[in-house]
Amino acid sequence: DAGITQSPRHKVTETGTPVTLRCHQTENHRYMYWYRQDPGHGLRLIHYSYGVKDTDKGEVSDGYSVSRSKTEDFLLTLESATSSQTSVYFCAISESGGGTYEQYFGPGTRLTVT
Amino acid sequence: AQSVTQLGSHVSVSEGALVLLRCNYSSSVPPYLFWYVQYPNQGLQLLLKYTTGATLVKGINGFEAEFKKSETSFHLTKPSAHMSDAAEYFCAVSDRNGNKLVFGAGTILRVKS
Repeated sequence: DAGITQSPRHKVTETGTPVTLRCHQTENHRYMYWYRQDPGHGLRLIHYSYGVKDTDKGEVSDGYSVSRSKTEDFLLTLESATSSQTSVYFCAISESGGGTYEQYFGPGTRLTVT
Repeated sequence: AQSVTQLGSHVSVSEGALVLLRCNYSSSVPPYLFWYVQYPNQGLQLLLKYTTGATLVKGINGFEAEFKKSETSFHLTKPSAHMSDAAEYFCAVSDRNGNKLVFGAGTILRVKS
């Protein structure tokens, strides 16, 4: 199994509070991704990173920011959580951005915003 | 823009029966195509992928998929379902840059004994 951990695994927070989710990898892969999973929508890309300090937006980036100061860590921040951000969040990593490279997924973080 | 349509949000088969999960894609350029599986409370795991070459792709756990350009399809099959195949399956497409995957909505496979 690829060495990907996500923390926390479960979190309940109140509307309007800031939340940071962490993804940590031990594979030294260049690309890291944040997705959210919602019923009927599959997985949707929030942000991704193609190197330290290099990030780009995905399909559903509004309300989210990311940072990558080290190869192994990719942080996802909800500046002011809303109920629509209740979801399961998955981190993924990939050796390179070329389409032949597999994305490996972490175990997920279940976030509930009340 | 690329998109993926998975026909049937839920599929139910009997143990030992054929599994057929349908995936159609939309892409303006030749795509890379993937099938992922998600077991309950876990992340996604790659089943198989098509990049170039042979259009019939074999994956793990006895699954295979065929890329049909004329039909813009990449259906997933398995000749004989096993109880352990019960999971959610996602079809995904990326362009040749491959920076981003676009996923279908998923199909939940139920296997009846």
